[in-house]
Amino acid sequence: QKEVEQNSGPLSVPEGAIASLNCTYSDRGSQSFFWYRQYSGKSPELIMFIYSNGDKEDGRFTAQLNKASQYVSLLIRDSQPSDSATYLCAVNPPNTGNQFYFGTGTSLTVIP
Amino acid sequence: NAGVTQTPKFQVLKTGQSMTLQCAQDMNHNSMYWYRQDPGMGLRLIYYSASEGTTDKGEVPNGYNVSRLNKREFSLRLESAAPSQTSVYFCASSRGPDTQYFGPGTRLTVL
Repeated sequence: QKEVEQNSGPLSVPEGAIASLNCTYSDRGSQSFFWYRQYSGKSPELIMFIYSNGDKEDGRFTAQLNKASQYVSLLIRDSQPSDSATYLCAVNPPNTGNQFYFGTGTSLTVIP
Repeated sequence: NAGVTQTPKFQVLKTGQSMTLQCAQDMNHNSMYWYRQDPGMGLRLIYYSASEGTTDKGEVPNGYNVSRLNKREFSLRLESAAPSQTSVYFCASSRGPDTQYFGPGTRLTVL
């Protein structure tokens, strides 16, 4: 079983809609969760991190964490064509020092 | 600040050749990482260095060696390149087990 699983997509949403991206992780003791955005041909850049159960909002982005279900999601409200990218979920499992495990990413296309 | 820089940006090697990928960061971060990214496989950790003077294997270390030259620099060496090492290589740095900052990547092709 992979440490971090994401649906590869592609996910297509119309402009202005809510895009929902999901990620599950295998190590129940994981404490730190990150969402990165990667445009084609570019390097990943951080969108949000979340450490506690519940929701964390930053502008149009909301990260949701449910440790009991081992599930973390990213909601993008009022999706824009510029949000079209691959979104990577990353987890820092316990007892791994500074190791991070990344999902394979979900490709999002926002249709104008 | 330049952030994380990598050289070269592109490289083509023949099977069996060796090369070193260079990475430097100017954010005074303790931890540095080398990843490879292949289609459908996501980012996979090759090696990381939690602090100056230490290095540890990641998920896919075979065929690679690393050197943490000082706090700023972390290099990745391919001693005898193989076609399976064709990939995009990213270096990253962080203060600790938190936000990572990525370099622009090196596109390596091994023929």
